[in-house]
Amino acid sequence: GENVEQHPSTLSVQEGDSAVIKCTYSDSASNYFPWYKQELGKGPQLIIDIRSNVGEKKDQRIAVTLNKTAKHFSLHITETQPEDSAVYFCAASKNSGYSTLTFGKGTMLLVSP
Amino acid sequence: DGGITQSPKYLFRKEGQNVTLSCEQNLNHDAMYWYRQDPGQGLRLIYYSQIVNDFQKGDIAEGYSVSREKKESFPLTVTSAQKNPTAFYLCASGGTTNEKLFFGSGTQLSVL
Repeated sequence: GENVEQHPSTLSVQEGDSAVIKCTYSDSASNYFPWYKQELGKGPQLIIDIRSNVGEKKDQRIAVTLNKTAKHFSLHITETQPEDSAVYFCAASKNSGYSTLTFGKGTMLLVSP
Repeated sequence: DGGITQSPKYLFRKEGQNVTLSCEQNLNHDAMYWYRQDPGQGLRLIYYSQIVNDFQKGDIAEGYSVSREKKESFPLTVTSAQKNPTAFYLCASGGTTNEKLFFGSGTQLSVL
């Protein structure tokens, strides 16, 4: 089955800095890669996703890049703000019938004012 | 408001007891999922259902059971066979291609 590794497990940055979280996946057939943000005591929320036919996707201060050859994808957050502090999860799936998401173990991002 | 609702927010289980976690959605989604979250372990899939009256085991189904009698509802029972039930349980719903999952706010289950 699919295995998703996520690094780092914790990341501390100063407000205004950029943050990068990296994930690798094992199944070359995976073609859908979402990122979720989880605030304390809440359920995860989808913040951005990318499919394998695209190399990069941006949405305001967040972007995701995908390298299919190396089987890794990354989340980039620019101009970080204290409200970006949360746990971030990457995931991968084949995005087909009865295929399910495999999640990384999460990265706790702390943005200090 | 459209969304996915989990209840209760906190639940305590006595040894040997079965407990049921509720999950209801009004998003008209076909698929529903249960995940278990332990500190530092990410989200692990327990069960999922892509259509009413049908469900499949996930990676850690032992000690759990589910039913899907209605499209809107996907309750999870934690049975006495689950020896380490303390965790944060998350329910999610989405399309059958598992894109863009919507998560509930979770139930924290603890053992007395």
